Amino acid sequence: EDQVTQSPEALRLQEGESSSLNCSYTVSGLRGLFWYRQDPGKGPEFLFTLYSAGEEKEKERLKATLTKKESFLHITAPKPEDSATYLCAVQAGGSYIPTFGRGTSLIVHP
Amino acid sequence: KAGVTQTPRYLIKTRGQQVTLSCSPISGHRSVSWYQQTPGQGLQFLFEYFSETQRNKGNFPGRFSGRQFSNSRSEMNVSTLELGDSALYLCASSLATDGTYEQYFGPGTRLTVT
Repeated sequence: EDQVTQSPEALRLQEGESSSLNCSYTVSGLRGLFWYRQDPGKGPEFLFTLYSAGEEKEKERLKATLTKKESFLHITAPKPEDSATYLCAVQAGGSYIPTFGRGTSLIVHP
Repeated sequence: KAGVTQTPRYLIKTRGQQVTLSCSPISGHRSVSWYQQTPGQGLQFLFEYFSETQRNKGNFPGRFSGRQFSNSRSEMNVSTLELGDSALYLCASSLATDGTYEQYFGPGTRLTVT
């Protein structure tokens, strides 16, 4: 059974304090790993897709990386507006349906 | 390009009633998936429709059903509502081509069952 585990569950940072969120996965035949941002009461907002180990993608203060067992979402010099829950999902094997992790709740204090 | 839209945004129903939620995908997207999101269970997959056919189904009781129309718009129905059905219901659309499955979510429908 495909498994996706995100850590930590919650993270509090001071503005400007860089950190990383982790998404570890156990799947057969990874086809894609997705990162989403979700604000309270809203739908997840698509951020990145990573397809193979070694791949990296960046968007503003966010950088996502992928290895054969995990992905990291690096947040550089975060701002309060980066506060949100960050979700990771993987698509694997012949399934069209991504498996989602439980998310990391990030709070950035000014 | 317009995003995924869902109606209604908020809904309050009583136990035993039924409810229908609607989703309009991004233009050109043929796959529509539905998810239930609760604080305790996170995002749980309900079902996926592709070209008017249910292609995948999650582990939810038969009270949860859906359909997709020829214009890719989708509806989901929940019959005989229970208190535990209170949740944020999310619709996601995807091109579902070339083996990738980037999903774009709508704002959700917040269902409260009293």
